[in-house]
Amino acid sequence: GNSVTQMEGPVTLSEEAFLTINCTYTATGYPSLFWYVQYPGEGLQLLLKATKADDKGSNKGFEATYRKETTSFHLEKGSVQVSDSAVYFCALSTEVSYSSASKIIFGSGTRLSIRP
Amino acid sequence: ETGVTQTPRHLVMGMTNKKSLKCEQHLGHNAMYWYKQSAKKPLELMFVYSLEERVENNSVPSRFSPECPNSSHLFLHLHTLQPEDSALYLCASSQDPTGLNYEQYFGPGTRLTVT
Repeated sequence: GNSVTQMEGPVTLSEEAFLTINCTYTATGYPSLFWYVQYPGEGLQLLLKATKADDKGSNKGFEATYRKETTSFHLEKGSVQVSDSAVYFCALSTEVSYSSASKIIFGSGTRLSIRP
Repeated sequence: ETGVTQTPRHLVMGMTNKKSLKCEQHLGHNAMYWYKQSAKKPLELMFVYSLEERVENNSVPSRFSPECPNSSHLFLHLHTLQPEDSALYLCASSQDPTGLNYEQYFGPGTRLTVT
């Protein structure tokens, strides 16, 4: 079946450090891939997405490249800030098996804490 | 502000109470979703509605009863809950139920505590 595996947290970094959060997936067909972010006390927000192999999604200094050969979608940022502290979810989209509705399968989330 | 609102934001209820969670989306989307987010557990999809028709129920106990009267509103009716049902309940919507490229937009959630 379809699934998403991401590195366990928590991840703690100093401000301006380089960030990588690993994500790999298992899927049939050609899913779209997403990174969502959840700030404290809020719902999930889309951070970036990629819809086909070799696409790079980017937003707010974060980047992730859809790698079909390694089935990966790792999240990176060159210089993190305290305001990036949040929980990050890797996800893929797939169709609901017996209808036309799509759904998203989420990874377990990685908590990121940035020290000033 | 994502265009998806949820009320109430916080709810405390006893195991014998009946309450409802409300979700409203102002984005013109055709699909709506309920998720349960518990501490230290993955996000769990509970229900999916596409064009106001329920298309998925992920083995959710019958004490949770969804209702989608139109494409803009989604309810989750709760009765005789258990303490382990305490969690953050998130509502989401997406533009096109058939589109794999379309992300979901989430509300801020309702923090539910069952005493």
